[in-house]
Formats: sequence, C-alpha cells, structure tokens
Amino acid sequence: DSGVTQTPKHLITATGQRVTLRCSPRSGDLSVYWYQQSLDQGLQFLIQYYNGEERAKGNILERFSAQQFPDLHSELNLSSLELGDSALYFCASSGSLENEQFFGPGTRLTVL
Amino acid sequence: AQKITQTQPGMFVQEKEAVTLDCTYDTSDPSYGLFWYKQPSSGEMIFLIYQGSYDQQNATEGRYSLNFQKARKSANLVISASQLGDSAMYFCAMREPLNNNAGNMLTFGGGTRLMVKP
Repeated sequence: DSGVTQTPKHLITATGQRVTLRCSPRSGDLSVYWYQQSLDQGLQFLIQYYNGEERAKGNILERFSAQQFPDLHSELNLSSLELGDSALYFCASSGSLENEQFFGPGTRLTVL
Repeated sequence: AQKITQTQPGMFVQEKEAVTLDCTYDTSDPSYGLFWYKQPSSGEMIFLIYQGSYDQQNATEGRYSLNFQKARKSANLVISASQLGDSAMYFCAMREPLNNNAGNMLTFGGGTRLMVKP
C-alpha cells in the first residue's frame, strides 16, 4: 500500500459526459501528479500540483482540468468525454525527497 | 526523440534464474533520477528502485539491483532468483532535472512484459 488513495476504482460513462477523479496523497506529501495510461500513448504525465498551485503541465487536453485543495487532495475533471479518453488514470504524490514518487491504485475510466 | 527506451517488449525467464531488463535514457542535464516500477495485471504501479545520477554505487533493494552505466546512459534492472510473482510489466522512468521547483514529473518508457516460467 503506497498510502495514495484514488476514487473511484472504476468508472463507466458515455461520450460527451463529465467525470471527476479524486486523489488523496500520502500524509505530508505536498506534490500531486496525474498520469494517463492508455494502450496507444503509454504512460503520460498530465499535470502536477504543489501545495495548491499548478506546478507543471504535460500532455493534458483542454477538456481536462485539475485542482488541489487546501487539504491537499486533488481532483481531475474530464469533460466532453470521447472514446479515446478511456484509460487508466493514476495519481502520484511525493514529498521533499528526490527519490520518491508513489502511485495510487488508479481509476479505470471506460467511455462507451 | 524518445527520452526513455525499453527495447524488450516481452521476455521470458525461468523461475529462480536472474533476468536483466534493459533501459536507456537520453538527457543533457547532469542531475536526474531513474526509477523502476512494476505493474502487475491488477494494474497498480509499484515502486521498485531508484538511482540518482550522482550516486556513486548501483542501487539495490532486496532481489532488485540497478546496473547503472552513466557513460552509456543505461539503467538496467536486474532481478535475481525470479519468482512466479515477478510476472508483470516493468517500467523505467526518468525525472529531470532534480531539485527543480518547476516540476518533477516522470517520463516513462514503453515497458517490458516479464513472464516467469515455472
């Protein structure tokens, strides 16, 4: 158990819909990262938050947005969903040490 | 250009034997970190081992060791005494540069599927 929690574990929805994925980092970790794992793109970094502020952006679509709240949990919002958004979405967190980035169990999103 | 390359899409190893999973990387920054993760069929990403670019010795964690050859830009994972439970996808990842407040995201390779034969 990495200490990072993600809900829900599975999500099935239809094209055009909007969903919210939730992540709670390990206790004390200020950084939260979101990654997407799909068959065609592999594992890709989406976005990072540090102590409530956006710190880095990767290959995140404009239809996607994220935020980190004062209690440090984070949410990834995916809107106008397309079939190609079906993927495993991971949240990871890290503290001040350079040698760590721990992943949550992931949310498997299926868009029908 | 690929920053992290894993050239072995799939590998077989006999139970109790050692296996090496290849990883090469590309960076011009002198400060970086290399990670290996295991992803079993259940889907979670399990951290295995870390090597910093300034570390003098190769990292080891139990049956896992990292064969770090800086000049060749390779960071191969060695698993000794393979077990059936080692069957999984293995991902190499790089964080660069270190100590950069702009972001510490990981860049992943395409992965290697390891299958351990009884």
